[in-house]
Amino acid sequence: SSELTQDPAVSVALGQTVRITCQGDSLRSYYASWYQQKPGQAPVLVIYGKNTRPSGIPDRFSGSSSGNTASLTITGAQAEDEADYYCNSRDSSGNHYVFGAGTKVTVL
Amino acid sequence: EVQLVESGGGLVQPGGSLRLSCAASGFTFSSYLMSWVRQAPGKGLEWVANIKHDGSEKYYVDSVKGRFTISRDNAKNSLYLQMNSLRAEDTAVYYCARDLGYYYGFDIWGQGTMVTVSS
Repeated sequence: SSELTQDPAVSVALGQTVRITCQGDSLRSYYASWYQQKPGQAPVLVIYGKNTRPSGIPDRFSGSSSGNTASLTITGAQAEDEADYYCNSRDSSGNHYVFGAGTKVTVL
Repeated sequence: EVQLVESGGGLVQPGGSLRLSCAASGFTFSSYLMSWVRQAPGKGLEWVANIKHDGSEKYYVDSVKGRFTISRDNAKNSLYLQMNSLRAEDTAVYYCARDLGYYYGFDIWGQGTMVTVSS
């Protein structure tokens, strides 16, 4: 399958921890990257590879992977973390990319 | 400052054509893969196409294959997307993104340009 499956929405209390998952067959072979998108803005890369944050991304964001599932964890969620989060990876052919449908994170 | 700026979006009738441009600055454009990613109104992200640093290889999502052509001019630090035979379902914000390969992801994005296909 070339699809990546994400939960449509999750909520988290301010300061608590939330994990967003992404499932797909291609994740057995390829790492996922994760993007944060706020309304009206372009996506921002927050995690790539095994578990690497680009410069400027807070260390409360972390990534992990097991089998066909990649996860993005926000430890100590802040109000500014409220956004849509998308996972992305190669598809099974290896030449194309595929995005998950996105998870809307609400910080309560 | 590392920057990508898209242009060329607009309103076009079904079956029409449009050419998007993406101007890169602040980095050695000719060293990087580049991708186009789109987002239909209220929907998620969809990768559209990418092109190797020297233009030697290009890949497309199946839904645009044969209709869209990605190209680049490294002398002008510019990326292009020629879109022909446009359909209503191509309506989206189109982003260009610096493509570091599957391990490193898309690290730089433009602000996007809106394409509306409607009669």
